Amino acid sequence: GQQLNQSPQSMFIQEGEDVSMNCTSSSIFNTWLWYKQDPGEGPVLLIALYKAGELTSNGRLTAQFGITRKDSFLNISASIPSDVGIYFCAGHSGNTGKLIFGQGTTLQVKP
Amino acid sequence: DSGVTQTPKHLITATGQRVTLRCSPRSGDLSVYWYQQSLDQGLQFLIQYYNGEERAKGNILERFSAQQFPDLHSELNLSSLELGDSALYFCASSVAGSWGLGELFFGEGSRLTVL
Repeated sequence: GQQLNQSPQSMFIQEGEDVSMNCTSSSIFNTWLWYKQDPGEGPVLLIALYKAGELTSNGRLTAQFGITRKDSFLNISASIPSDVGIYFCAGHSGNTGKLIFGQGTTLQVKP
Repeated sequence: DSGVTQTPKHLITATGQRVTLRCSPRSGDLSVYWYQQSLDQGLQFLIQYYNGEERAKGNILERFSAQQFPDLHSELNLSSLELGDSALYFCASSVAGSWGLGELFFGEGSRLTVL
């Protein structure tokens, strides 16, 4: 079945540093999304990307939909302690009608 | 607050038992999705309902079933429970029938522990 490979699995960074994580797939997606999950909460949508090559920002977050439609990255600039959490990429394929999630990147920020 | 309500928040039960998890979607949302999140598996899609009808199916076991009622709330039934069924079960909702618009709103989850 479709799988998303998300990396890195975890990151431990200093406050103020920039962060980058990415997702790759063996198949094409029509939509790429990035969610964040805080402890004890459900995932919350951060950014949605709908076109190959699209670059979208949401505050300090920037994400891109890869040209091949098989990958996406998320950058967080000038990290702060509240950025701590698990970040998930998700891809939607019109063929299967399913939203597939990556394994998540756990981010820890040291003040 | 996403507007999606899940009950119960926590549930502890024994192997072989049956439980029902309940979800109320956001007001106006017609689609309900169920996901299972365990430590080593990430978020696994189980099933989607749209306006009362099954729309898409994922890796849902035969021991599990779901339905969406006329008032659009949904229930996920887990039977003959095994230790490996211990996980967080999330419900999400969206307006559209497909994920094309991408925005799912997740509830806070129901944590199931099977002893």
